[in-house]
Amino acid sequence: EDKVVQSPLSLVVHEGDTVTLNCSYEVTNFRSLLWYKQEKKAPTFLFMLTSSGIEKKSGRLSSILDKKELFSILNITATQTGDSAIYLCAVRNSGGSNYKLTFGKGTLLTVNP
Amino acid sequence: DGGITQSPKYLFRKEGQNVTLSCEQNLNHDAMYWYRQDPGQGLRLIYYSQIVNDFQKGDIAEGYSVSREKKESFPLTVTSAQKNPTAFYLCASSTRVSTEAFFGQGTRLTVV
Repeated sequence: EDKVVQSPLSLVVHEGDTVTLNCSYEVTNFRSLLWYKQEKKAPTFLFMLTSSGIEKKSGRLSSILDKKELFSILNITATQTGDSAIYLCAVRNSGGSNYKLTFGKGTLLTVNP
Repeated sequence: DGGITQSPKYLFRKEGQNVTLSCEQNLNHDAMYWYRQDPGQGLRLIYYSQIVNDFQKGDIAEGYSVSREKKESFPLTVTSAQKNPTAFYLCASSTRVSTEAFFGQGTRLTVV
């Protein structure tokens, strides 16, 4: 069974802090890893990572994948209250059920002013 | 506008009744998914479908059923066999190649 483990499960920081969210995985025939942000209802897409060692960046957010060690991190620098959300990590396999998308439990980030 | 629509947003049902949640997409996506979200549990996969008239069980399929008669539609039925149906249900879709999944706004089901 595919498994995605995120840590920490929750995190409280002050505005301006830098945070690192972790995602480790065990999946048969790994194809890609995705990060989402969920504020109220629908998760919104942040990054998709398929190759090891290549950083994806968007503003203050960045993410990198290590396929050898089977993990990814999501960094947020200079956090703002608007970054408060649940951050979800998901992995997609490429076997017979190649559309299966398995999510972790998420990290609840709270950024206080 | 292209997107994925779930309805209704809120649903109340009495215990023992079956209920069907709607999910429609006009993105021309082949794959569709149903997830359940409980507090502190992330998203758990109920069912997914890669193509019309075909679907696979996810990790928590017991007490649920689906159909995929049209590419655009993937309704989920929560049956009376589901022990704890009160939850937030999310539908998603994606293309055949490995791109991100797009989500609907969710349906919050409360069984009383």
